Amino acid sequence: KAGVTQTPRYLIKTRGQQVTLSCSPISGHRSVSWYQQTPGQGLQFLFEYFSETQRNKGNFPGRFSGRQFSNSRSEMNVSTLELGDSALYLCASSPGTPQETQYFGPGTRLLVL
Amino acid sequence: QKEVEQNSGPLSVPEGAIASLNCTYSDRGSQSFFWYRQYSGKSPELIMFIYSNGDKEDGRFTAQLNKASQYVSLLIRDSQPSDSATYLCAVTSNDYKLSFGAGTTVTVRA
Repeated sequence: KAGVTQTPRYLIKTRGQQVTLSCSPISGHRSVSWYQQTPGQGLQFLFEYFSETQRNKGNFPGRFSGRQFSNSRSEMNVSTLELGDSALYLCASSPGTPQETQYFGPGTRLLVL
Repeated sequence: QKEVEQNSGPLSVPEGAIASLNCTYSDRGSQSFFWYRQYSGKSPELIMFIYSNGDKEDGRFTAQLNKASQYVSLLIRDSQPSDSATYLCAVTSNDYKLSFGAGTTVTVRA
């Protein structure tokens, strides 16, 4: 099976812009989660989607949003970018029950100037 | 108090030795426990998961879980230079999210 794919892999934006990141889960997986990884804060949970519904959301401002499509592909959007949004954004997929393993994609590295 | 705490590193071990990594968690409702390995510049990859108290072995890796003590550990036997990476402990309950520790960086000296 193909793994989790994320596009784009690298992105450079300037403050105030917005960005959309995309994630395609492993075939058959219906849950997609998003995480932000920075050197200072480590890996932090952004949100999780299952069957187009957000089931949980982390402690991030409303500038961070996401959605999931009927084919389980997911996008996350960050509006009004700030310098502190520079990070590695990771998408993970799993079949859908809480205890199951999440498999990570390669990530999108975002740099905000 | 952080949800998941890992022993501070970095941890340096000679090739062939045992590397011992520890993790404690605060949520007694946690049900699933994972160890991920992350090489520099790469994404986390799963090494092991454990759900029940006791030991679970997979090749050179052994995970140990003690829910009463809210403690999970990972032993790497016969450490190889290719094991040099950051090891992340992750915990989940029924809330559909993984809570990660800060990670422990392991360096295996040849």
